[in-house]
Amino acid sequence: DIQMTQSPSSLSASVGDRVTITCRASQSISTSLNWYQQKPGKAPKLLIYAASSLQSGVPSRFSGSESGTDFTLTISSLQPEDFATYYCQQTYITPYTFGQGTKLGIK
Amino acid sequence: QVQLVESGGALVKPGGSLRLSCAASGFTFSDYYMTWIRQPPGKGLEWVSSIGSNSAYTNYADSVRGRFSISRDNAKNSVYLQMNSLRAEDTAVFYCARGDTDLGYWGQGTLVTVSS
Repeated sequence: DIQMTQSPSSLSASVGDRVTITCRASQSISTSLNWYQQKPGKAPKLLIYAASSLQSGVPSRFSGSESGTDFTLTISSLQPEDFATYYCQQTYITPYTFGQGTKLGIK
Repeated sequence: QVQLVESGGALVKPGGSLRLSCAASGFTFSDYYMTWIRQPPGKGLEWVSSIGSNSAYTNYADSVRGRFSISRDNAKNSVYLQMNSLRAEDTAVFYCARGDTDLGYWGQGTLVTVSS
């Protein structure tokens, strides 16, 4: 199975900060990488698909990029509603494995 | 609007069985793959199973293969997950989602607890 390693596992930031979350795949997955946001007690929400494509309705402060087997989710200016847990998921080959999650908290 | 509503979660003893259902509305159900994802309490997400639009394709995580079975009824706009030989480690919130790679719509989830 492809292992997805997210870093950091948690971080604290302030409203207005620029935040970067990284996901590393254990092998090449092309650009088959999604990012999800999950708030407590809610279902995950798709933010980015195919590494860098913004899902319809998602604010443009969210962006994704890829460099080999390293993928990055960037939030350009944190808003209060962005404090949540973020997961990456590879969809290159089944099982479509998720990263362990990054919990983004308020500093 | 797209809506997915899961049902069927319950408390079940180890070794028992359960059938989850997911009722879809707001889109042409027969056009889409469907997927089940689970999340143990306080833990991360795990892909469980996907099914093709006409049921010709099914796939499972190794952790559930041989115990779980996914199916769908396009006439009823529903997808199902039959779970047999349940174990304590199957305890989780189970979500259904539209699609197989880009999961743009999810249900609210249904809790399955496996405990004696």
